[in-house]
Formats: sequence, C-alpha cells, structure tokens
Amino acid sequence: SQQGEEDPQALSIQEGENATMNCSYKTSINNLQWYRQNSGRGLVHLILIRSNEREKHSGRLRVTLDTSKKSSSLLITASRAADTASYFCATGRRIGNEKLTFGTGTRLTIIP
Amino acid sequence: SAVISQKPSRDICQRGTSLTIQCQVDSQVTMMFWYRQQPGQSLTLIATANQGSEATYESGFVIDKFPISRPNLTFSTLTVSNMSPEDSSIYLCSVRGAHREDDEQFFGPGTRLTVL
Repeated sequence: SQQGEEDPQALSIQEGENATMNCSYKTSINNLQWYRQNSGRGLVHLILIRSNEREKHSGRLRVTLDTSKKSSSLLITASRAADTASYFCATGRRIGNEKLTFGTGTRLTIIP
Repeated sequence: SAVISQKPSRDICQRGTSLTIQCQVDSQVTMMFWYRQQPGQSLTLIATANQGSEATYESGFVIDKFPISRPNLTFSTLTVSNMSPEDSSIYLCSVRGAHREDDEQFFGPGTRLTVL
C-alpha cells in the first residue's frame, strides 16, 4: 500500500493565491521529500525535510513536518501559471532498505 | 545535484519485443534506482541497481522481466523484456548522492514507453 497519501488529489486556484498540499504517511521516517512533475516528465526535487526538523523554506516554498501526526504540508505562495504540475511527497526510511516511497500526488492547476 | 540523462526519451514498441533504457549520471553516486510510473499513477520502485552485483527487486518485479545492469558508479540499464501493452509507462532512473549521508534523491527525465 502507499506509504504516503496526499490531499487534495486535485487543486485549482487563481494565479497569485497560495496553494497548500498535504501528505500523510504511516510509518516512522528519516526524511520526507517533495517533488514536482510537469506533464509526465521527470521529477524535479523541491525540498527535503528531516524527521528532526519542523519547517523549511526555499524561495516561495514552505514545508512543514509533524511527526506526531505523521503528516507534512507544502505551501506555495504567490502562485504562478508555471507552478501548474503534479506534486508528490516521498518518505525515506533509514532502517532497513533505503528506498523512497511515494504518495499518490496532487494535481495543481493555476488559473491565469 | 547530479545531472542524469536517459536514453531513449520515448519509444513505441511492438508487443513481444524488448527495450533497453540507459541511465547516465555525470558524477559517481552511491545508489541508483529504477521506477515505473503507469499512466495517471504515482511512482513505484522496480529495483535498486547494485554496482557489480545483481539488482535488488521489489515485490512484484522479477529479473527475467526487468533485467538491470550497473557496471560502474555512473551508469545503469533497465531492460523491459517481452513487452505487453500493460508495460506502457514512464520509466525513471533515480540516484542518491556521492556520499552515503546524502539523502536527497534525484530523477532523470524519464523514458516514455508505449507498447502496441
């Protein structure tokens, strides 16, 4: 089963508004990574947050992590048309194998 | 971050044939992975490509169907064998950094495969 599940599955907002996407997971993690995918292309790495961190920023991106609730959120501020893409979270576990397990993804559409 | 290239970028193949996808990284990396993304779906790990030894496959994936090579720390191939339309997917190579403590994982541009 999916380690991560994201909501909403799809989100449409007006350009300039903020977009928030959430990711929930089931087991303990070492880190959580967010990716963007445009139109079935490769994944672009956005940000990594470790299990001992609560918040990270990168440009217009803000990621939070709540390990007690096993959830993370990705906030994109002042959205642009170019932000239209699918966004995935992926969890990494140090224990055992080191694979990333991906969430179901959120399809974000920015309306100009 | 590592620069990852994949060849081919896309292909259309007949059922029953095989396709080999190449992944080249511009620097040595500790770990290389192959993922599959079926239409409209998320990513599923096929296997971890181990340098100089057999790949480690995830549940539901077998070596006879998806043979993988990794002759050195910068190159890997994935073969999709005896293809059927159900194999139509995007196949993505992914790497983790030159140092074991590097947790960031990066992806290649993907290979879009259509099987007729």
